[in-house]
Amino acid sequence: GAVVSQHPSRVICKSGTSVKIECRSLDFQATTMFWYRQFPKQSLMLMATSNEGSKATYEQGVEKDKFLINHASLTLSTLTVTSAHPEDSSFYICSARAPNGGISGNTIYFGEGSWLTVV
Amino acid sequence: AQKITQTQPGMFVQEKEAVTLDCTYDTSDQSYGLFWYKQPSSGEMIFLIYQGSYDEQNATEGRYSLNFQKARKSANLVISASQLGDSAMYFCAMREGRGFQKLVFGTGTRLLVSP
Repeated sequence: GAVVSQHPSRVICKSGTSVKIECRSLDFQATTMFWYRQFPKQSLMLMATSNEGSKATYEQGVEKDKFLINHASLTLSTLTVTSAHPEDSSFYICSARAPNGGISGNTIYFGEGSWLTVV
Repeated sequence: AQKITQTQPGMFVQEKEAVTLDCTYDTSDQSYGLFWYKQPSSGEMIFLIYQGSYDEQNATEGRYSLNFQKARKSANLVISASQLGDSAMYFCAMREGRGFQKLVFGTGTRLLVSP
């Protein structure tokens, strides 16, 4: 079945540096991908919608210049956390919709998620 | 306004028993979809079940069933014959409108299954 893969699964970076997280759809093309953030013991919050070939759409309160999203191909979206700080430490997870028609639950796939720790 | 409400922060159930996890939602759209996901400690989001707003029958997937009460705007998840491996966080989520697959999540319910 369709799979969405994220890399890296865990990353530790120093404060002030940038870190890139990749989200790949492995056997389908995804024109739209979504990036969520989840703080410990909290729910998933949508950060942005990544659109292939165009600018991402950010949710209110999400800093565009800090969380750079690039959806350069139909199978890859990247989230770059620029000038990371400890408060950016969180679980980041992406999702993608498989374009197989219909709108059923099985068409929304999540990546495995990426744990970011900024020290 | 909270779109998805899960009022049970934690639930306990004994192995082999059934458990119901509550979810209520708020939307003015006629077309929407409701999802349940399981999140184990590893963090991955595992899709469990989906209910479309126009679906007349309650969704079922193996041991999972969704008790959809449209007038009450509730979409409770029923897990039958609980297993130890069911211990995890469970999230209810909603998609509004058609075609756009952005999901809004509830705050989750932590389920603990005891032997």
